Amino acid sequence: DAMVIQNPRYQVTQFGKPVTLSCSQTLNHNVMYWYQQKSSQAPKLLFHYYDKDFNNEADTPDNFQSRRPNTSFCFLDIRSPGLGDAAMYLCATSRGGQETQYFGPGTRLLVL
Amino acid sequence: GQSLEQPSEVTAVEGAIVQINCTYQTSGFYGLSWYQQHDGGAPTFLSYNALDGLEETGRFSSFLSRSDSYGYLLLQELQMKDSASYFCAFSGGYQKVTFGTGTKLQVIP
Repeated sequence: DAMVIQNPRYQVTQFGKPVTLSCSQTLNHNVMYWYQQKSSQAPKLLFHYYDKDFNNEADTPDNFQSRRPNTSFCFLDIRSPGLGDAAMYLCATSRGGQETQYFGPGTRLLVL
Repeated sequence: GQSLEQPSEVTAVEGAIVQINCTYQTSGFYGLSWYQQHDGGAPTFLSYNALDGLEETGRFSSFLSRSDSYGYLLLQELQMKDSASYFCAFSGGYQKVTFGTGTKLQVIP
């Protein structure tokens, strides 16, 4: 089945230690998104790729970076995680021109 | 700025009908989507309105009024499994999506 896959499902890191979260998709969608979601809050868009074009939200901290080496894969790099970065990180995809987003199961990040 | 406001919590009885409202402020609006999210799960797409009016998908319907910057999700024949958070989201330019504040729906017997 076509899907959005996120690895790992749970990630524990130390304060200040770089961490990378990964997302892959078999839907062949050209748009990929990264969201941060904290408990009882809405998903907050960090950035998205429309094909190879990178779109960073104005309020996304510089501590967050992203890479999309090809259509299928997208990575979220947190260069120096702080305690406030503990959250669920959701990857989503969509086909350009269509509104439906397909979400992966998320990676729950814990910062010690 | 851009914002979407929803009631934080709604409680309804199994078998009943419930309406979840969403009001928005934005410049550049392409349409309103609705997502369901169970605790610990990922959001799943429910419906999308690009034009004014009602869209029906099984037990779920969604309504949009662009002139009033308002939409709602209507859930009929409520089931216990409908207990979840519901988010409206608007699509701006370039596939950018902004989510609303979310409504936690509790269905009681």
